[in-house]
Amino acid sequence: GAVVSQHPSRVICKSGTSVKIECRSLDFQATTMFWYRQFPKQSLMLMATSNEGSKATYEQGVEKDKFLINHASLTLSTLTVTSAHPEDSSFYICSAQAGASTDTQYFGPGTRLTVL
Amino acid sequence: EDQVTQSPEALRLQEGESSSLNCSYTVSGLRGLFWYRQDPGKGPEFLFTLYSAGEEKEKERLKATLTKKESFLHITAPKPEDSATYLCAVQAGGANNLFFGTGTRLTVIP
Repeated sequence: GAVVSQHPSRVICKSGTSVKIECRSLDFQATTMFWYRQFPKQSLMLMATSNEGSKATYEQGVEKDKFLINHASLTLSTLTVTSAHPEDSSFYICSAQAGASTDTQYFGPGTRLTVL
Repeated sequence: EDQVTQSPEALRLQEGESSSLNCSYTVSGLRGLFWYRQDPGKGPEFLFTLYSAGEEKEKERLKATLTKKESFLHITAPKPEDSATYLCAVQAGGANNLFFGTGTRLTVIP
């Protein structure tokens, strides 16, 4: 149980284009989903927290107009990187939490974004 | 300011050589401490959650312990397949998100 999927696993795009990443909880309903970014040999840095049906809460320094998050259902959240630039190249990972705030977060396999 | 520090940064062990990984934390109102394993190019895989000082949890060759200042992940008789980066994360205060340490990269040599 507690499986989280992400799609795509890898994407290469040209500078200026937008990329959408999907995060799905496959066998549970996720009240809250989180989006993290991980640069090489660094740890995970939280970008934003989203609750189903609500606007996402962004961490300081993360541009909400650039990283659009939609949590339309209890099993799906999407992250859209708009007008991507090479500095946005990174490993994006989502996690999902079922209910109570102390519930375990289960992570997706990540999406490797490369912007040329 | 919340801080999570993991040591060592990297650890090489011979197969069967037991050791411990350390996670020191300074947070306000710890609600949970989490251990994850991350393989290269993959998302973190959940291992343990510890909620209060004195708590211990075990899974196969791994055992996690928690004090008021730090957590240890003990690896007994490791095998090459235990090679990975082990991440420690805390959940504190009123936030639901996890605050991660930088990880310990473990390599187990056959």
